[in-house]
Amino acid sequence: AQSVTQLDSQVPVFEEAPVELRCNYSSSVSVYLFWYVQYPNQGLQLLLKYLSGSTLVKGINGFEAEFNKSQTSFHLRKPSVHISDTAEYFCAVSDASTGGFKTIFGAGTRLFVKA
Amino acid sequence: DAGVIQSPRHEVTEMGQEVTLRCKPISGHNSLFWYRQTMMRGLELLIYFNNNVPIDDSGMPEDRFSAKMPNASFSTLKIQPSEPRDSAVYFCASSPTSGGDYEQYFGPGTRLTVT
Repeated sequence: AQSVTQLDSQVPVFEEAPVELRCNYSSSVSVYLFWYVQYPNQGLQLLLKYLSGSTLVKGINGFEAEFNKSQTSFHLRKPSVHISDTAEYFCAVSDASTGGFKTIFGAGTRLFVKA
Repeated sequence: DAGVIQSPRHEVTEMGQEVTLRCKPISGHNSLFWYRQTMMRGLELLIYFNNNVPIDDSGMPEDRFSAKMPNASFSTLKIQPSEPRDSAVYFCASSPTSGGDYEQYFGPGTRLTVT
């Protein structure tokens, strides 16, 4: 069975500082990996995804993530955060062998950007 | 495109009443997902459909919950009878799951309060 662990429930950071949100997954098969962001009172929207190919994936709003198969990790990074990045971030994994239908989401990491 | 449309956006009902949540997926998407989000349990997949057929309903909490997708442009999630512990935000998401795009597009959610 697949599972996703987001190692930090909350991450406070000052504006313009770098940030890393950690994500580890457990799966015995090849996977697709995703990061989604949820702003208050809204649904989730995709930040970036890894399906295959280059292990460094760039997404919207200056975010990027690196797929590390040996460490089963998919950490999200941004070199300089803005107040507007304050939101909840979800890492997700789906089983590539079944067509990627069923996606398992992590518990979420709440990012607080302080002025 | 209007995105995934959910109605109602807010629902307050009394314990024991029937509740029906509605979802219109993005046109052309062939997969549809229902999720429940609470502070305690995070984001849980309840059921998903592919080409209007339920594929996996293992996340449906109990027999009080049922979901239908009578056609490609409409789905419902019904709770009968409702209980206070069903209070949550319910999200519908759709996905093309073809052509290599496995992104899920979320609706704005329905906030359900059962008193």
